[in-house]
Amino acid sequence: GNSVTQMEGPVTLSEEAFLTINCTYTATGYPSLFWYVQYPGEGLQLLLKATKADDKGSNKGFEATYRKETTSFHLEKGSVQVSDSAVYFCALVKTGTASKLTFGTGTRLQVTL
Amino acid sequence: DVKVTQSSRYLVKRTGEKVFLECVQDMDHENMFWYRQDPGLGLRLIYFSYDVKMKEKGDIPEGYSVSREKKERFSLILESASTNQTSMYLCASSGQTVINTEAFFGQGTRLTVV
Repeated sequence: GNSVTQMEGPVTLSEEAFLTINCTYTATGYPSLFWYVQYPGEGLQLLLKATKADDKGSNKGFEATYRKETTSFHLEKGSVQVSDSAVYFCALVKTGTASKLTFGTGTRLQVTL
Repeated sequence: DVKVTQSSRYLVKRTGEKVFLECVQDMDHENMFWYRQDPGLGLRLIYFSYDVKMKEKGDIPEGYSVSREKKERFSLILESASTNQTSMYLCASSGQTVINTEAFFGQGTRLTVV
């Protein structure tokens, strides 16, 4: 079946550090890929998405590139801020059943001054 | 502003009780979902609905049922609550496809079964 694997957290970084959160997936066909973010006490929000191979999603300084050859969708940001502290979830949508998101286990990011 | 509203932020129920979790969306979305979120396990799909009175089992439907009598409302029912159902429950809605329409999530209901 389809699955998403994320790096274990928590990830602790100093402000202005470079961020990478790894995400790899297993799926048949050509899934669409997403990153969601959950700030403390809130629901999930879509951060960015990519719907086909080599697409790059970007938002709020975050980027991720859909790499079909390595089945990866790693999240990156060049300079993190304290306000980026949150839990980040990688997810995919199964081809042919577009509604059902499969999530990774989430990675907690803590950014300190 | 887009809204998915869950009726309670926190609930405490006793083992064996029947529990109702309510979710309302104001976006006229066709699809609605219930997930549970547990540490180390991420989000797991319990049930989803793609139309009024239509439902489909997700990955972990055991011990749960759902009801969708109106397009804007999707209820999750724990027929007889057990301690292993203590969790965070998240409701979401989306348009025809998630690929073209992002999924919007509610704030979550933290349920404790004692």
